[in-house]
Amino acid sequence: QSALTQPASVSGSPGQSITISCTGTITDVGGYIYVSWYQHHPGKAPKLIIYEVNNRPSGVSNRFSGSKSGNTASLTIFGLQPEDEAEYYCTSYTSDSTVLFGGGTKLTVL
Amino acid sequence: EVQLVESGGGLVQPGGSLTLSCTASGFIFYDYAMYWVREAPGKGLEWVSGITWDSGRTGYADSVKGRFTISRDDAQKSLYLQMSSLRPEDTALYYCVKDISFDLGGRLDSWGQGTLVTVSS
Repeated sequence: QSALTQPASVSGSPGQSITISCTGTITDVGGYIYVSWYQHHPGKAPKLIIYEVNNRPSGVSNRFSGSKSGNTASLTIFGLQPEDEAEYYCTSYTSDSTVLFGGGTKLTVL
Repeated sequence: EVQLVESGGGLVQPGGSLTLSCTASGFIFYDYAMYWVREAPGKGLEWVSGITWDSGRTGYADSVKGRFTISRDDAQKSLYLQMSSLRPEDTALYYCVKDISFDLGGRLDSWGQGTLVTVSS
């Protein structure tokens, strides 16, 4: 069980858009719709922002969007805001009936 | 409002055992899959274990398989994690987490505040 691969960091200016990738294999990201994304501010509990590739839970801003192509899933944040600065994690269900996290991506809003 | 309150963390020696508990409220507990996720100091999130709504299926990370056991008591609205043969690398904040549905889809929509486990001599 290797962690899903995410870039360590990304950055953008307010109002810009950024995309975070999450790469796995056919036995996880590529094989299932069960890809989720989480926003994690230090000292707070993580927050689910995307589930099943591209669904937003109630109350999550439509500035957050998810997609998937092959073994790579992506999270796009449109119209960056200062409060978006956080760590972002992807997860995927796997063929072993487990869940894998990505290593996390630190988003800096310049 | 969904609430998940973890307890049972503490300091334990390597090789020791500990059982974590999570008490749920604000939702129909027996309808949902539940999980344990941990965050080691200075590291990222790691999925530890999950259990379906009916306890029919469980899953474990390779790092804890054979040492940890997840279970639930729907009457008590509680989730448990029995941990044995603990190692220093098990030191982490352990979160109790709810899925949005009944099966192990990894859709972690509600999180507790965590309970800290420290494995050290």
